[in-house]
Amino acid sequence: AQTVTQSQPEMSVQEAETVTLSCTYDTSESDYYLFWYKQPPSRQMILVIRQEAYKQQNATENRFSVNFQKAAKSFSLKISDSQLGDAAMYFCAYRIANAGGTSYGKLTFGQGTILTVHP
Amino acid sequence: ETGVTQTPRHLVMGMTNKKSLKCEQHLGHNAMYWYKQSAKKPLELMFVYNFKEQTENNSVPSRFSPECPNSSHLFLHLHTLQPEDSALYLCASSQHDRLTYEQYFGPGTRLTVT
Repeated sequence: AQTVTQSQPEMSVQEAETVTLSCTYDTSESDYYLFWYKQPPSRQMILVIRQEAYKQQNATENRFSVNFQKAAKSFSLKISDSQLGDAAMYFCAYRIANAGGTSYGKLTFGQGTILTVHP
Repeated sequence: ETGVTQTPRHLVMGMTNKKSLKCEQHLGHNAMYWYKQSAKKPLELMFVYNFKEQTENNSVPSRFSPECPNSSHLFLHLHTLQPEDSALYLCASSQHDRLTYEQYFGPGTRLTVT
């Protein structure tokens, strides 16, 4: 079974600084997707960034980037130039890429990391 | 309305009550999901519907009963719940193909069982 582990229950960062959130996962699959989702205090979960396992290049979205280490099964999120609006719970998630199985679309989430941004 | 909507946003119910949670997606997706989010626990997938057919039941107790009348609507019928069922219930939707695979989430229903 796939598992996702976020070992940092809470992290904090100063505004304009950089912070890295950690995520490791366990899978026997070779083709899968990894995601970082953000859940602000308003509770609407939104997608921050996505990484396809077959791509060696790390995904980036503006101030958000990932460090994807497939062999180590590590998928960390780096937030640069942190802003007050980045304060939220961040979830790492995994999804198998097999389009034919009944588990298609099933996301496995980590426990989440609460990020606090200090002004 | 845009995205994924959920009603009600907050619900308090007794253990003998029957209530229903509603989810509606306005994104043209054909897969919908129910998740349970409890404090200090990872999100737990409860049910998956693809093209209105249930394809996943993650060992959910029968006091939770899903219904998907069409690809835009998803319900979660609740009856004789327990206090440990108090949680945030999130609905999500996605497009069932390889090209578009993000799940879009609703704001959730905060359920309190007394």
